[in-house]
Amino acid sequence: DAGVIQSPRHEVTEMGQEVTLRCKPISGHNSLFWYRQTMMRGLELLIYFNNNVPIDDSGMPEDRFSAKMPNASFSTLKIQPSEPRDSAVYFCASSPGLALPSYEQYFGPGTRLTVT
Amino acid sequence: KQEVTQIPAALSVPEGENLVLNCSFTDSAIYNLQWFRQDPGKGLTSLLLIQSSQREQTSGRLNASLDKSSGRSTLYIAASQPGDSATYLCAVDPRKETSGSRLTFGEGTQLTVNP
Repeated sequence: DAGVIQSPRHEVTEMGQEVTLRCKPISGHNSLFWYRQTMMRGLELLIYFNNNVPIDDSGMPEDRFSAKMPNASFSTLKIQPSEPRDSAVYFCASSPGLALPSYEQYFGPGTRLTVT
Repeated sequence: KQEVTQIPAALSVPEGENLVLNCSFTDSAIYNLQWFRQDPGKGLTSLLLIQSSQREQTSGRLNASLDKSSGRSTLYIAASQPGDSATYLCAVDPRKETSGSRLTFGEGTQLTVNP
């Protein structure tokens, strides 16, 4: 398997623009996670899905952020409108599923977002 | 609220040295603890996962221990190599019904192994 795939790897956009980050989880994994990493706040969980259903979105910073998982092999994280403080590395991770007693999260390479 | 602390923040050692990275957490009601490695500009790679019922896990030169009651975990790296240079993060999973899977990460220890 190719692992978790994220696109784009780098995104530079102007304040106010819409940004869409994409993730393809590992085939067969039932859980998908979106994280944000910054120097100030470290790694933070934004939202996670189980079987394509959002389970916990309490980490989403505000209404400008939204995430969808239309099927088991694709998820998007959208920021509209973007702001300079959204600049960060956004990671997607997947795992076999919450039901298993032991699981690991497998991370994608991340999308480095810069909002000017 | 769970807080995870990693000490030291940075560590520089000569090649071949054995070393210990520390992780502490404030709420001992965890389901498991996971150690990750992050190389500059890259994603996280899972190294070891310890379930709350376990005391330690080993993989090659790595050994992770867990003392849930005291809220501590250590990652032991034997015979360190320059290729071990990276940031090491620990994360705890509460796995409570209401929170599901919500990893809380420490800020990491940046390790440099000098040849």
